[in-house]
This record gives sequence, structure tokens and C-alpha cells, in this order.
Amino acid sequence: DTEVTQTPKHLVMGMTNKKSLKCEQHMGHRAMYWYKQKAKKPPELMFVYSYEKLSINESVPSRFSPECPNSSLLNLHLHALQPEDSALYLCASSQYGTSGYSDTQYFGPGTRLTVL
Amino acid sequence: DAKTTQPPSMDCAEGRAANLPCNHSTISGNEYVYWYRQIHSQGPQYIIHGLKNNETNEMASLIITEDRKSSTLILPHATLRDTAVYYCIVRGTGANSKLTFGKGITLSVRP
Repeated sequence: DTEVTQTPKHLVMGMTNKKSLKCEQHMGHRAMYWYKQKAKKPPELMFVYSYEKLSINESVPSRFSPECPNSSLLNLHLHALQPEDSALYLCASSQYGTSGYSDTQYFGPGTRLTVL
Repeated sequence: DAKTTQPPSMDCAEGRAANLPCNHSTISGNEYVYWYRQIHSQGPQYIIHGLKNNETNEMASLIITEDRKSSTLILPHATLRDTAVYYCIVRGTGANSKLTFGKGITLSVRP
């Protein structure tokens, strides 16, 4: 089973709202990732967690705040977003992450976020 | 910067083999070639990866040239459901193991 689940599937929020995206995997993977994908563009890496510690932050604005409560769960907390943050947010997981192995990332279906 | 070059689009007839090319002339010895695809508005789907040898799985075959500067993804019997954007990605290990997506190639399978 290579399933990564993401909730919600769609989210509409105002610029003053606080919301969270959730990602879950039960494959025993120790690395989890957040990507952002704008319309008609390729996915872009935002954050990497490896063994529950933030290992990569691709200079993402602080209005995006990741959290990894345990090895199966990854959250992305959103606050004071801008309309240009509207995008598909993708979560992925892999067995080892950045620990020296080239391991395969498996993606969830994404959350379609619209900021009004 | 993306380390791969792919044509922007191609099409093939349903039932025929689809051969998707990728150039990665600056690939280094410990870098893998990965292929993912993304069907409209869905998450990317892993297809296959390889280092030096040709690889085959239930979805596709990956042919890597001997000098490793290019590769071809082969979908042996394309169906309409294979219509998607296909990404060829060169990926290292450790701190260099990020997946950096390029623009990909849009494959259209026609009836």
C-alpha cells in the first residue's frame, strides 16, 4: 500500500483566517514533504521533515507553518494568506528522506486551496 | 534549475507504445533518473526509476543510454487513461535528494 491521504480536498479561506492542512501515511515512512503547485506549473518543494525534524525549508514565508506531530502525520498551518497563495498543496512521504538514500516519494491527492 | 530537458508535448495512438524521451547530459554518477506522471489535478504518481541499468515494472520500462546522458520511458500499450504530464527528474542522495520537477512532457493519447 502506497497511500498518502490529505484532508480537506478543497479549502476556501479569507486572508484573515487560520486553517490547517493535514497529511497522513501509514507506510512507516520517516520523511514527509510539502509541495506547492500553481496552475499549469510543476510542483515546488516547500518543506521536508526527516525523522520528525524539519530538515529543509525552501525559504517559505512564515505565514506557512509546518508541524510534524509524529512520523505518520504532517500538518501545514496557514495564517494571513494572500490570494496568490491559492494553489494545489501536495504532501508526499518516503522511507528515508535526506539521510543518504535515494528513496521514492509517494504523493497524496492534494488539497486545492483558494484564498479570497 | 531542472537538470533534464523534455519536449513539451507528444501524442500517440491508443494501444501503441508511447516512447517519452528525456535528456540529462549533466547527470553525475550517483544520480538516479526518476519518472512521475500527473493526471489533471491529481497528485504526481511514481512510475519508475533507475541508475544505470534498464528497468521494467508493471507500468512501464525505463531505458537509460550507456553514457547515462539520456533515457526513454516506454508505456508499452498506451490507453486514454495514460494522458498526463510526465516528469523526468534527476535526483541524487542525501542532502541532494530533493525532487526538482521540470516542466515535463504532456502526453496525449488519442483514440
